[in-house]
Amino acid sequence: EPEVTQTPSHQVTQMGQEVILRCVPISNHLYFYWYRQILGQKVEFLVSFYNNEISEKSEIFDDQFSVERPDGSNFTLKIRSTKLEDSAMYFCASSVGTQLGFGPGTRLLVL
Amino acid sequence: SQQGEEDPQALSIQEGENATMNCSYKTSINNLQWYRQNSGRGLVHLILIRSNEREKHSGRLRVTLDTSKKSSSLLITASRAADTASYFCATDDTGTASKLTFGTGTRLQVTL
Repeated sequence: EPEVTQTPSHQVTQMGQEVILRCVPISNHLYFYWYRQILGQKVEFLVSFYNNEISEKSEIFDDQFSVERPDGSNFTLKIRSTKLEDSAMYFCASSVGTQLGFGPGTRLLVL
Repeated sequence: SQQGEEDPQALSIQEGENATMNCSYKTSINNLQWYRQNSGRGLVHLILIRSNEREKHSGRLRVTLDTSKKSSSLLITASRAADTASYFCATDDTGTASKLTFGTGTRLQVTL
């Protein structure tokens, strides 16, 4: 069964550094998402992406965040200047309908 | 309470017993979904129930939805140690899954 994949599985970075989290969505899916989960807290919606543009974003998704689909297979989340509070598990997801397939996540630690 | 509050927060049962988890929400929904998350891993979709449905089954899972009470329950029958995980409900307001709102989760521990 096709799955969403994410790289890296873990990333440690210094505050103020840029990070790029990568995702390969399921190949026939058209909608792509990023969610995050701060340790011990709810899974929170960040952004949805369709037809090469953002379709919806949350308050969390400020100017420090950006998403891109640079080619036909990858979907990336960039955090321009990381803050301590960006430490979380970041999940990519994709869908063709109402059921999302989630990736295993990237655990980001900002020091 | 916030959209997608679950109770109990934690549940410990023995293998073979049934586990029931509840989810309450505040706004109108198109559908409600349940996900499982093993420790430190991604989310796995379990079952989706639409707002015009009252009950749905999938294997050992039974989900109910009461839109008048804005609540849902997930029942896992004849639990197994492998069911140990966190379970989350997620509401979809639009029916397009463009933005799911997740609950706080129930941590289920199934012991031998």
